[in-house]
Amino acid sequence: AQSVTQLGSHVSVSEGALVLLRCNYSSSVPPYLFWYVQYPNQGLQLLLKYTTGATLVKGINGFEAEFKKSETSFHLTKPSAHMSDAAEYFCAVSPSGGGADGLTFGKGTHLIIQP
Amino acid sequence: DAGVIQSPRHEVTEMGQEVTLRCKPISGHDYLFWYRQTMMRGLELLIYFNNNVPIDDSGMPEDRFSAKMPNASFSTLKIQPSEPRDSAVYFCASSFSAGLQETQYFGPGTRLLVL
Repeated sequence: AQSVTQLGSHVSVSEGALVLLRCNYSSSVPPYLFWYVQYPNQGLQLLLKYTTGATLVKGINGFEAEFKKSETSFHLTKPSAHMSDAAEYFCAVSPSGGGADGLTFGKGTHLIIQP
Repeated sequence: DAGVIQSPRHEVTEMGQEVTLRCKPISGHDYLFWYRQTMMRGLELLIYFNNNVPIDDSGMPEDRFSAKMPNASFSTLKIQPSEPRDSAVYFCASSFSAGLQETQYFGPGTRLLVL
């Protein structure tokens, strides 16, 4: 069984400040990990994913995440927040690369950007 | 490509009525997923298909829910009879599982309100 815990249902940062969204997972098999973003009234868009190889993964819009097996974490970061980053962010886990299995999502973190 | 297409985008119905949600996956994709998003339970996988065949329907909440995929370019999710607790956003996603690099692409969702 797999599960995802996202710490903090709401995170507020100032424009230009560091963004850190936390994600911890539980998996009985080597996990494949994902971050998706959802803008209001839209579907989910993939930000980045970890499958194998380098544990620091770079995604779109300046986001990156680091897979830490010892900490069972996959936290999402961005050095400098922009107003357009305001959205809902979901961490997800899959037993495979994501194409051939359903995703198990965390509850989501609402990112608020203060001007 | 037009992406994953879902219809209708919004549906308001009365308790007891039949509801049919529709999805057109991205051309060439061989996996199709149905997810439900609610405030209480977050994003949940309901069912997914591979080459039009249901692979895992363990997430379907009860017998009132059914899903079909008659061909590679069309799927339906039906609720009969509908209940107020079925109110949610229903997402369809598709993918091409050629390997670890494949991604699920989400549609814009159908927002269902059952009165």
